[in-house]
Parts: sequence; C-alpha cells; structure tokens
Amino acid sequence: DVKVTQSSRYLVKRTGEKVFLECVQDMDHENMFWYRQDPGLGLRLIYFSYDVKMKEKGDIPEGYSVSREKKERFSLILESASTNQTSMYLCASSSGQGWGTEAFFGQGTRLTVV
Amino acid sequence: GNSVTQMEGPVTLSEEAFLTINCTYTATGYPSLFWYVQYPGEGLQLLLKATKADDKGSNKGFEATYRKETTSFHLEKGSVQVSDSAVYFCALRLMDSSYKLIFGSGTRLLVRP
Repeated sequence: DVKVTQSSRYLVKRTGEKVFLECVQDMDHENMFWYRQDPGLGLRLIYFSYDVKMKEKGDIPEGYSVSREKKERFSLILESASTNQTSMYLCASSSGQGWGTEAFFGQGTRLTVV
Repeated sequence: GNSVTQMEGPVTLSEEAFLTINCTYTATGYPSLFWYVQYPGEGLQLLLKATKADDKGSNKGFEATYRKETTSFHLEKGSVQVSDSAVYFCALRLMDSSYKLIFGSGTRLLVRP
C-alpha cells in the first residue's frame, strides 16, 4: 500500500514561531503537494513539487515555503506563524505517469497557532 | 479559470435512501475527474475516477459519469449506509505538466439509522 506519512497529527505553536511540517511518501512518487483545508473552502493548494529541489507556488503560497531535498520528503515551513494559519494541513503525492493517476493523502496535521 | 463547484451541505439522509451529490466543473481541455472521501479524523482517499467523456467510475456502490456536454460529474449511490457518513470532495486534474488537483469545497453527508 502507498503510504504518505505526516510527522504530527496535532500541533500547537505560538505566534511568530517558525514551524516545520514534514511529509514522507514510500512509493517513489515524483509529485508532492501541500494543501490546507478550511471549512467551506475545501482544499487549497499551497505549494507543489514535481522533482527533487523543484517547487512551484500554488494558489495561496504567502507566508509559507517548502523544501524538497530528497524525493521521498516534502517539508512545509511557516516562516513566522500567525493565527490565520490555524488550519488542517494535508500532504499528498502522485506518480508522474499520466493524468488519470490519483493522489494519495496523508492523515493531516491539525495546526493551532495561539 | 479552472474550478469545481459542489452542492452545499450538509446532506442528511436516512439509511437506504438514494444519494446524489452534484458536481460541475470549469476547465480548459479535458481534465480527469475524481471523487475523494474523507472520514472523520482521516485524510482523503480516492473513491472513484473517470478520465474521459462518458466514462463511469464506480466503487463501493458509488457511481459517477463524466458528462462533457454538461461539464458534470455527479456522485450517486442507490442505498446509503450509516458508514457512508463523511465529507465528499469532487476534484479535477488538468491536462498540463503540474499534475495538481483542483478541489471543490466538499459536501458533508450524514446518514441516520
């Protein structure tokens, strides 16, 4: 089974802290994604990566950065956490083979910024 | 721009009722279409998909048909169970090099015994 693992299920951080969310996949997928999920807004893409050291901005990249030093790992960084970044964060990965291939999701990290 | 529109929830049904969750999309070209389901406390998992016009995706009693003429991909199930209570997301993947998914806002389904 494909597994996408996010390092934490729940996190509580203080305003202004630098926050790292880690995601690891075990299927040698080329593409990895970070989404945030908010009620009524669905999933919004923050950043994605289609190869090691490659990254592209999604729809809401402001206040975030990412790192992909190894193929299996994709990190989301909140440079200076703010309360409006309190949300559920979902990592996903997919193969680069064909548009019909599905994305596999981790269980999510619920981040609270106080 | 590219987008997915889903019917607002929550949808509340009794067990064994018929389910329809509407989904329409706007996209350039011919996207692939997906339904994902999120059970409480979990991440998203693929429910079904269709990659070209008139394809029907099906899984666990759920079905959806890719209708290019109406740009729709409505989710249906003939008889829902309490265990189907979850949030359902319609999504499309563009036919470009990004492989990113664009999601609708999600529809919460609550099935009562």
